[in-house]
Amino acid sequence: EDQVTQSPEALRLQEGESSSLNCSYTVSGLRGLFWYRQDPGKGPEFLFTLYSAGEEKEKERLKATLTKKESFLHITAPKPEDSATYLCAVRPYGQNFVFGPGTRLSVLP
Amino acid sequence: DSGVTQTPKHLITATGQRVTLRCSPRSGDLSVYWYQQSLDQGLQFLIQYYNGEERAKGNILERFSAQQFPDLHSELNLSSLELGDSALYFCASSVADNANYGYTFGSGTRLTVV
Repeated sequence: EDQVTQSPEALRLQEGESSSLNCSYTVSGLRGLFWYRQDPGKGPEFLFTLYSAGEEKEKERLKATLTKKESFLHITAPKPEDSATYLCAVRPYGQNFVFGPGTRLSVLP
Repeated sequence: DSGVTQTPKHLITATGQRVTLRCSPRSGDLSVYWYQQSLDQGLQFLIQYYNGEERAKGNILERFSAQQFPDLHSELNLSSLELGDSALYFCASSVADNANYGYTFGSGTRLTVV
């Protein structure tokens, strides 16, 4: 069965304190791995798609990387506005997305 | 504004009732997806329509049904509502059938069953 887990469940950082979020997946065939940001009461907002191991994508303070079994979302010098829930999702071949439970990030000023 | 419009934003109803949630996809998008998000379950895929036809089904209960109309808007019908159906319901859209480049989500409908 296709599965996505994320760790940690919640993370509190001081402004400027860099860290990484983990997404581990088990999937029969990976068509793509996606990262989304979700603010409270809002729909998820697309951040990145990664397709193959070794691939990296960057956007402002965020950098996503992919291996054969996991993906990391690195946050460099975060700001309070980066506080959100970060969702990881995989798209197996022939199927729709499977979302992970998310990591709730709080960045304190 | 993502371009995906969901109405209503909030809905409070009693157990046993029936409600309809509406979604207008982003202009040019032919696929519509429905998701349920509850605190203990995360985002769960319910159903997908592409250009009016059902394409994929996920964990959708028999009490729930959906359709996509010729103007591409979609409706999710929830009947015989139970307390456990309280959740955020999201609609997402994509241009193609396969969403290889991700979805665009609406801001959701919060359903509370009392």
